[in-house]
Amino acid sequence: NAGVTQTPKFRILKIGQSMTLQCTQDMNHNYMYWYRQDPGMGLKLIYYSVGAGITDKGEVPNGYNVSRSTTEDFPLRLELAAPSQTSVYFCASRSESSYNSPLHFGNGTRLTVT
Amino acid sequence: QKEVEQNSGPLSVPEGAIASLNCTYSDRGSQSFFWYRQYSGKSPELIMFIYSNGDKEDGRFTAQLNKASQYVSLLIRDSQPSDSATYLCAVKGGDKIIFGKGTRLHILP
Repeated sequence: NAGVTQTPKFRILKIGQSMTLQCTQDMNHNYMYWYRQDPGMGLKLIYYSVGAGITDKGEVPNGYNVSRSTTEDFPLRLELAAPSQTSVYFCASRSESSYNSPLHFGNGTRLTVT
Repeated sequence: QKEVEQNSGPLSVPEGAIASLNCTYSDRGSQSFFWYRQYSGKSPELIMFIYSNGDKEDGRFTAQLNKASQYVSLLIRDSQPSDSATYLCAVKGGDKIIFGKGTRLHILP
């Protein structure tokens, strides 16, 4: 099983550029999440989705956009990249079968904005 | 803003001793509580979850939850060098899952 797949693994952006971080899962999970993790810090929730066509803001949504057109895919869009968006981005999914079902994480995308 | 607080550490514990990690949360409506372990440069991985007051044991790990005090902890017995990592507390309220900053644990050989 591939689980949660994130691409790319690494990316360097110039200030003002835009990009899309890709996330796909093959576990048929309805719930998907985007987090960012700054050095030495915990994970901050950017956006989440409870199913295709439904997205909602997390703790730090400014500067980001998401879409959820299919169950499998949950891309994160950065418009007008800023140095403050330098971080490691994790995508995660979980089953809705139980409110205790855990998050399954991708391997992360390390983004540097210079 | 719902918050999850952890002491960032580092917490240094001798090999074979008990490591105690603590977490407090602000949202009284929180339903489930998770402990994740994260090695440097890796993704978080689930250690265990708890949702009822009291203790839950799984091997060398024990999670403790006190909803009245809004407090959850993780005990690691017989600490091993391989337990050296960052431990993240996560709290589920509704559909959101919020993480603390994590506690760095260092097991001293």
